[in-house]
Amino acid sequence: GQSLEQPSEVTAVEGAIVQINCTYQTSGFYGLSWYQQHDGGAPTFLSYNGLDGLEETGRFSSFLSRSDSYGYLLLQELQMKDSASYFCAVKSSGSARQLTFGSGTQLTVLP
Amino acid sequence: DVKVTQSSRYLVKRTGEKVFLECVQDMDHENMFWYRQDPGLGLRLIYFSYDVKMKEKGDIPEGYSVSREKKERFSLILESASTNQTSMYLCASTLSRGRRAFFGQGTRLTVV
Repeated sequence: GQSLEQPSEVTAVEGAIVQINCTYQTSGFYGLSWYQQHDGGAPTFLSYNGLDGLEETGRFSSFLSRSDSYGYLLLQELQMKDSASYFCAVKSSGSARQLTFGSGTQLTVLP
Repeated sequence: DVKVTQSSRYLVKRTGEKVFLECVQDMDHENMFWYRQDPGLGLRLIYFSYDVKMKEKGDIPEGYSVSREKKERFSLILESASTNQTSMYLCASTLSRGRRAFFGQGTRLTVV
């Protein structure tokens, strides 16, 4: 089966940098992705890592280490609108391509 | 843009009723998923499907079944609704080797 662990809450101030970690256990790893969800909204895709290393998309970056079963999402120049829940998700290999989510990290950005 | 549409935004059903939640996607995605989301528990996978008429159990399939008769449509069925199935239900779809999942807006189901 699959399991993911991420912190339940993170608080930071506007303009700061915050890192949300995710460790996972899976039988057959294909990739790690990150999603953002605002209250009342649907999760939306932020980034994907299939190989080790850093992927950068604007203020957001995501990192993966397959050997450590570990990844993180880095948010820079935090803005109030970044207050949301952030989920890591593992895509498993094989024909079924199961997509399993962590329990989410609630990020609060303070003025 | 890909669109994933769930048939209802809010639904109230009585205990014991059979409930159908419908999800339709318009981008010819092979994979479709049903999740439930509860506070503090994140998104838990109920069932997923990687092709028409194919289905796989997720982490919490008890009390649910699914149907995928057409590629674009994936239905979640609560055979006999119970109060512990009160939750937000989210449908998602991806390409077979796709990197990103597209989600519907969710159905908030209340079972009374």
